[in-house]
Amino acid sequence: GESVGLHLPTLSVQEGDNSIINCAYSNSASDYFIWYKQESGKGPQFIIDIRSNMDKRQGQRVTVLLNKTVKHLSLQIAATQPGDSAVYFCAENLQGAQKLVFGQGTRLTINP
Amino acid sequence: EAGVTQSPTHLIKTRGQQATLRCSPISGHTSVYWYQQALGLGLQFLLWYDEGEERNRGNFPPRFSGRQFPNYSSELNVNALELEDSALYLCASSPGLYNEKLFFGSGTQLSVL
Repeated sequence: GESVGLHLPTLSVQEGDNSIINCAYSNSASDYFIWYKQESGKGPQFIIDIRSNMDKRQGQRVTVLLNKTVKHLSLQIAATQPGDSAVYFCAENLQGAQKLVFGQGTRLTINP
Repeated sequence: EAGVTQSPTHLIKTRGQQATLRCSPISGHTSVYWYQQALGLGLQFLLWYDEGEERNRGNFPPRFSGRQFPNYSSELNVNALELEDSALYLCASSPGLYNEKLFFGSGTQLSVL
């Protein structure tokens, strides 16, 4: 069915540490994956995306890893800052469907 | 460059009424998407419009409808409002067909009393 799940609903990390947010997807035919950050009172903001022909992609302080064998996606945030506090969503797009299916989200809290 | 804009920011209605939500996409974007985000939940796909046509629809009853205008702006209409329709309604746009990266607005918070 349509579902993109997250292993943990909440994650607390110390400022300066690295954060890893995990996501499991169910549809092996999905060919595009994307991470969004949603701060309180705002709409989701694009962080990074990756296509199924890649297994890793890096951005500024963020890295997305894709393991198609086990249908797993992760977002790594380096040197986490207070401004990283938000809910993070992964989403998948089924090839040809052009409809992003979102997971439930993980709330990232940064401890000083 | 202006992002996706939505209006109103907040909307309060009573059960049985109708709600109309509006969205203006990023200039040059032809696709508009609507998502519902209930409190504490993820985003549920509602509707997708491109070039004025409805391209895809999520698992929502027919009382959720919408349209896209020639200038690519869009309206979402919710008829016969129910209490469980209370949610944040998010609009997103993309440059067009087969461009999966969506840009979101800040949403309309609909409260049904």
